[in-house]
Amino acid sequence: KQEVTQIPAALSVPEGENLVLNCSFTDSAIYNLQWFRQDPGKGLTSLLLIQSSQREQTSGRLNASLDKSSGRSTLYIAASQPGDSATYLCAPERGGGADGLTFGKGTHLIIQP
Amino acid sequence: GAGVSQSPSNKVTEKGKDVELRCDPISGHTALYWYRQSLGQGLEFLIYFQGNSAPDKSGLPSDRFSAERTGGSVSTLTIQRTQQEDSAVYLCASSLFDTAGPSSYNEQFFGPGTRLTVL
Repeated sequence: KQEVTQIPAALSVPEGENLVLNCSFTDSAIYNLQWFRQDPGKGLTSLLLIQSSQREQTSGRLNASLDKSSGRSTLYIAASQPGDSATYLCAPERGGGADGLTFGKGTHLIIQP
Repeated sequence: GAGVSQSPSNKVTEKGKDVELRCDPISGHTALYWYRQSLGQGLEFLIYFQGNSAPDKSGLPSDRFSAERTGGSVSTLTIQRTQQEDSAVYLCASSLFDTAGPSSYNEQFFGPGTRLTVL
């Protein structure tokens, strides 16, 4: 059974800093890994999806990397802003659809103005 | 609509009552997923539909839970004889994923969720 760990569980930093959020997973037989953000009381917003054949994906100030063999992914946030405050979740997927996504408990991020 | 929609946004019910939660996926998305988010369990996957078919229902928490999808679009999650431990946010997601296609790409897009409170 896939288990996902996210470190740190919480992070509070002043705006402008560059951040790294870490995700590790126990079963490396994955097809995709998706990063989400969740704002309080809201659903999940997809940030990036990395396919197993890729090593990284970039979207604006966000960069996600994937090392499938070691079961790790990182989300890099450049020049953080108060609007980046949210919970960030990583979710690997085995493929085939039927297993759904497996989520970590997330990293609760606060960017201080 | 542009995104996944769910209704109701909030539902308060009494223990023992039945509830029905609805999900409208993004138009054209063949795959639909239900998840549950609770304080104790985090986010857990419940069930997946490809078209109107759910190949594996083992993720549903108990036999009080059922789900169906009609017309390859709207899905309903029904909880019978609700219990207090059913209190959670129920999230629906959809994607273009198609098992008959050549790609494993499966970006899931989530709705805002239904917050269920069982008194």
